[in-house]
Amino acid sequence: QQQVKQSPQSLIVQKGGISIINCAYENTAFDYFPWYQQFPGKGPALLIAIRPDVSEKKEGRFTISFNKSAKQFSLHIMDSQPGDSATYFCAASPNSGGYQKVTFGIGTKLQVIP
Amino acid sequence: DTAVSQTPKYLVTQMGNDKSIKCEQNLGHDTMYWYKQDSKKFLKIMFSYNNKELIINETVPNRFSPKSPDKAHLNLHINSLELGDSAVYFCASSRRQAGDSQYFGPGTRLTVT
Repeated sequence: QQQVKQSPQSLIVQKGGISIINCAYENTAFDYFPWYQQFPGKGPALLIAIRPDVSEKKEGRFTISFNKSAKQFSLHIMDSQPGDSATYFCAASPNSGGYQKVTFGIGTKLQVIP
Repeated sequence: DTAVSQTPKYLVTQMGNDKSIKCEQNLGHDTMYWYKQDSKKFLKIMFSYNNKELIINETVPNRFSPKSPDKAHLNLHINSLELGDSAVYFCASSRRQAGDSQYFGPGTRLTVT
C-alpha cells in the first residue's frame, strides 16, 4: 500500500528549465513533508521540508508547494542545473503522537542535460 | 565530522553466511533506523530504535536482528544470507520520533552471491 504517491518516476529537463515533482498522500494525519535528495552512491539527504501551516516554502532554487485540501505537495527546482541530477524522494509523517514512521515516495530520477 | 557513519561500505558474501553492519551517529539523536534500498531505489524501513528501545519492526525476516548497545549505535546482524538480501542498507537517525528530518549514513552495499 503506497501511502505517498510520487510522480514522475523519471524526469529529463534541460539546463535552466524548471523541474517539477509531484506527490500525493492519503493519510490526513500526515503533517510533516520533507524532500530528500540522493546522489549515486550516497545516502539520501534532506533538501527542504514543509509543515501544513504554510502553502509554500522556498530555499534558493528549491520550492515546495503544498495543497492541504487536495492532499498534494510538489517540489519545484528553478533554473535546473546538471548538478541537480539525482534521485528525489518525497516523504510524509505525522508530527506527533509518539513514534510514527516516515513514509517515502518511490523516488524520481532527475536528469538535467546541458 | 561524519554525522552518521556505517561500516563496511561494501560487503560481498556467499549465501548462507552471517554478516553484520555497524552504524554510529554523533548527532546526539535519540532515534535510529535501518532502511533497505532495492535496485529500484525504493526505501523501505526495516527497524527503528528510540533510546536503545525497538519501536518499529516492519515485517522483516527474523534472520535480521538489530542491536542498539547505546543510543549512538545501531548494528544490524543478518543470519543465513539469501540472494534477495542483496541491496543497499542505510542507517539513519533523527532528533525525535515523529515529524523530524532524518540524517542518513552513506550506505552499505551488500551483495550476496
